[in-house]
Amino acid sequence: QSALTQPPSASGSPGQSVTISCTGTSADIGGYTFVSWYQQHPGKAPKLIIYDVTERPSGIPDRFSGSKSGNTASLTVSGLQAEDEADYYCNSYAGNNNTVFGTGTKVTVL
Amino acid sequence: QVQLVESGGGVVQPGGSLTLSCVGPGLAFSSYTMYWVRQSPGKGLECVAYMSVNGNKKYYADPVKGRFTISRDNSKGILFLQMMSLRAEDTAVYYCARDLKVGYSHIYGYWGQGTVVTASS
Repeated sequence: QSALTQPPSASGSPGQSVTISCTGTSADIGGYTFVSWYQQHPGKAPKLIIYDVTERPSGIPDRFSGSKSGNTASLTVSGLQAEDEADYYCNSYAGNNNTVFGTGTKVTVL
Repeated sequence: QVQLVESGGGVVQPGGSLTLSCVGPGLAFSSYTMYWVRQSPGKGLECVAYMSVNGNKKYYADPVKGRFTISRDNSKGILFLQMMSLRAEDTAVYYCARDLKVGYSHIYGYWGQGTVVTASS
């Protein structure tokens, strides 16, 4: 199946909010409530920051929040901090016991 | 702190083979589905294989089906990925990941640091 579509880049100043979209189809995002988001700093492994659309793993600050409407999921980072500068990837269950990742978004803190 | 450590990556000629390993000491390894996810500049992140706790469910992505084999030794807390007939397009960083939830949820909860596989002549 095709990768989920994310904007290549997004940016914001410290303290501001940035929202990243992740667009799929009714066969993935639109069909299930199994969307997760991953943060990846350069040279590091991805890290889970949101799962099941809105849930945060232990230790992830509430500045990170997720939502979904129709075939599009979104990640919002509020109160941007320098350490939030990273690549972000969405992921959705896509049926047939498989998931699909997004194309990735580079977030820059201005 | 969940820690996964991969090893076995390297440079191999197209058509060659490699076996990756992933260990997870103190991970309650035997209770979770385990995944291999790769990341290449051209194709982003892709789950190439996973294996359920008792091995009755295995998945392979189409590009690796018939060439890669996933296995695990729960008693030793080790996950393997045997890769054969490697192609240039298999070049990537390979991560092992543990499911977030007991059983099978398709949430890549914990990741290793990755091991680099390069298929090139």
